[in-house]
Amino acid sequence: NAGVTQTPKFQVLKTGQSMTLQCAQDMNHEYMSWYRQDPGMGLRLIHYSVGAGITDQGEVPNGYNVSRSTTEDFPLRLLSAAPSQTSVYFCASSYNRAQETQYFGPGTRLLVL
Amino acid sequence: AQSVTQLGSHVSVSEGALVLLRCNYSSSVPPYLFWYVQYPNQGLQLLLKYTTGATLVKGINGFEAEFKKSETSFHLTKPSAHMSDAAEYFCAVSDRGQAGTALIFGKGTTLSVSS
Repeated sequence: NAGVTQTPKFQVLKTGQSMTLQCAQDMNHEYMSWYRQDPGMGLRLIHYSVGAGITDQGEVPNGYNVSRSTTEDFPLRLLSAAPSQTSVYFCASSYNRAQETQYFGPGTRLLVL
Repeated sequence: AQSVTQLGSHVSVSEGALVLLRCNYSSSVPPYLFWYVQYPNQGLQLLLKYTTGATLVKGINGFEAEFKKSETSFHLTKPSAHMSDAAEYFCAVSDRGQAGTALIFGKGTTLSVSS
């Protein structure tokens, strides 16, 4: 089992560019989520999904888009990158609920210039 | 909305000393409670969690936490710190039942261990 994988590990973007952060899990988990981590702010929930075809917004969804076409994949799209989106992004998954143990990916470090 | 407060953004202890990291939650209905640890340049991993039953929860690496409903607290402790415990620790909460669609994290406490 690879667990939760994220690509790329590091990315530099210019303001206004778009990109997709990839997240995949091979544990057949229904629940997947995206967080951003900023110094002194902890982890803040961006979007989450309780199963294929079902997504919802978290605490800080503006500027981000998600879709869940398969159980395995949960990509995060930045529509028009802004410097405020410079952060470390973590994807996580659990069997079928937020209350269960979350398994985190290694993170994607994003720098927006 | 559910929230969690971690008192102290940075805690420093000597090797062998007691570790105490504080966490308080806001809900009047006890939520599910978690402690996660993040080592440098890595993702988070679960230390322990409280769902129901025994209020003293034992986790990995010698850590434990006690759920105290009267104090709305879930403090993390370890009797004797080790250099390898240096990391960032996050307390997290999730509502019970169908309302628990999200895991809400505190802002984190960085633990430093000196020899």
